[in-house]
This record gives sequence, C-alpha cells and structure tokens, in this order.
Amino acid sequence: DPKIIQKPKYLVAVTGSEKILICEQYLGHNAMYWYRQSAKKPLEFMFSYSYQKLMDNQTASSRFQPQSSKKNHLDLQITALKPDDSATYFCASSQDRNNQAPLFGEGTRLSVL
Amino acid sequence: QQKVQQSPESLIVPEGGMASLNCTSSDRNVDYFWWYRQHSGKSPKMLMSIFSNGEKEEGRFTVHLNKASLHTSLHIRDSQPSDSALYLCAASKIGGYKVVFGSGTRLLVSP
Repeated sequence: DPKIIQKPKYLVAVTGSEKILICEQYLGHNAMYWYRQSAKKPLEFMFSYSYQKLMDNQTASSRFQPQSSKKNHLDLQITALKPDDSATYFCASSQDRNNQAPLFGEGTRLSVL
Repeated sequence: QQKVQQSPESLIVPEGGMASLNCTSSDRNVDYFWWYRQHSGKSPKMLMSIFSNGEKEEGRFTVHLNKASLHTSLHIRDSQPSDSALYLCAASKIGGYKVVFGSGTRLLVSP
C-alpha cells in the first residue's frame, strides 16, 4: 500500500485555471515537501513544511500556495496556470531530523493546455 | 545558492560492467548526501546515504565521500539492465529544510 498518497495521478488543465494537488502521508513523518520535475528542468525543490509550519520556500511565484490542514496533509494550490507549469509534481516526507532522506509519492502529472 | 552538480550527464555500460557516477556540492555547509534512483515514469527512490568521509558498500553499490572537496561518487559493479535509470544525487545542510537534487546521470546498461 502506498504510504504517501497523491491525487490525482494525472491532471489536464486549461491556461488560466486553478488546480489543487492533494498529498497525504501515513508514515508519521513531521516534515513534508513539494518538488517539481519536467523535461526542461531537473527535480526542483519548491517548499518544505515541518509540523505544519513553512520552513523553506524556493518558488518565486505566489501562484503556488501550499496548504496544510493537518500534520500529515500538504496540498498545493496552483492559480492562473500556464503551459510552463506542465510538470510532474512530487510530494515527499521525512522525519524532522537532519539526516532523514525524503521519501517520495508517486507524483501528479500536470499538463496545462 | 546551493547547487549540486553531477557528471556525466549520461553513461552507457555493458551488462556486467562497472558504472561510476560523480556528484559535487557548491555549498560548503552541506553535511548530508544521498543517492536516489528514478526509473522512467516512476518517483525517485533513495538508494544510499553517506554522511562521513570514506566509503560505504551495500551489495553491488558503493558510495564514496570526500567532505573536504564535497565530492561523492556512486559505483555500481556487475551492472544489470534493470539498473538503467536516472541517478540523482541529493544534499542538505545541518538545520536546513531543503534537500537539493542534481540534474542526474542517465545510466543505460546494454545487454
């Protein structure tokens, strides 16, 4: 059974629309992350949360907003979608200790037309 | 800005051969390194970690770390076609909440 659940697996959106990517983890981890990967760019860090608090944000655009309603939940809201946002978005989690490697979910593949 | 550089970009080795992949961090404050493997269409899976100078071996996989030069390498002996994948190096600092990944080495093991 997958321990990090991302929904949906595939998503097609029109330019200018808004979408929410869902992530839940059942590993008891305290830290959660969002990464993005596309053909044009390597795996790119976006956000990190610890105990539902934003710890690091490397996303320049305010169109990307993480939302944490529960400790094991970190959604990603993307507004005013652009074709350049097309990518696979990975959620990851780890224990909140320095030497813990993030464990990745299976990703949401987003295509913006 | 913290960067992780990997080389080569791609590598072809024959089945049964040795694959050697390299990774260097540009940030002197980095303390933790990991190697991940990502098969096509899948998510990255952590292979090995290394935090201290020296070498660590797990089965066919060996990692080295030189903290002075912030260089780590991954060696895969007796390479198998199933090892064909994108290999990602990752690094983070003590007290940081950001694990940065390199752009990867694409390994192809030819039967």
